[in-house]
Amino acid sequence: AQKVTQAQTEISVVEKEDVTLDCVYETRDTTYYLFWYKQPPSGELVFLIRRNSFDEQNEISGRYSWNFQKSTSSFNFTITASQVVDSAVYFCALSGPRGSNYKLTFGKGTLLTVNP
Amino acid sequence: EPEVTQTPSHQVTQMGQEVILRCVPISNHLYFYWYRQILGQKVEFLVSFYNNEISEKSEIFDDQFSVERPDGSNFTLKIRSTKLEDSAMYFCASSELDRKIYEQYFGPGTRLTVT
Repeated sequence: AQKVTQAQTEISVVEKEDVTLDCVYETRDTTYYLFWYKQPPSGELVFLIRRNSFDEQNEISGRYSWNFQKSTSSFNFTITASQVVDSAVYFCALSGPRGSNYKLTFGKGTLLTVNP
Repeated sequence: EPEVTQTPSHQVTQMGQEVILRCVPISNHLYFYWYRQILGQKVEFLVSFYNNEISEKSEIFDDQFSVERPDGSNFTLKIRSTKLEDSAMYFCASSELDRKIYEQYFGPGTRLTVT
């Protein structure tokens, strides 16, 4: 069975601070996909990034960066120089390979509050 | 940019009533999903749908739930006899059928309130 753990329930930072959101996953699949979604107060789910299990390169997109480490089954998300607009719930998710219907297994989410 | 749409944005219904939640997936997408998020909790998979049939369903998706693609554009979730515990945000998602099959695009959600 697949499982995603986001141990941090809530994080509060002051604007311009860097913040890292942790994600640890469990799966028996050798091929899988990892995702981060943002859920702002308005409620929609916004896709941020997808990583394949065979690609451990870290990725940077503007103020966002992701650190994928297979050895520790972690896929952490860092926001550099946080802004108030980053305040949201962030979900890490995992899906399996072809044949698994690609259903997403979500973590419980981390509520990030960025204070001015 | 194409997007998944859902209607209504908010539905209030009385316990025992039937509700139909509607979704219009992205036009060239062929895999469709419904997820549920009880307030303050994580997003949970309900059902996936491909080639006009259910490809997988979770234990949450019991006999009171059904899905349908009545025409070439809509994808619906029906709850036959709503219970208080069905109150949640329901998200529809869709994905392509090629190398991007694992990228699901979510609609804005329908908030269902059962009273």
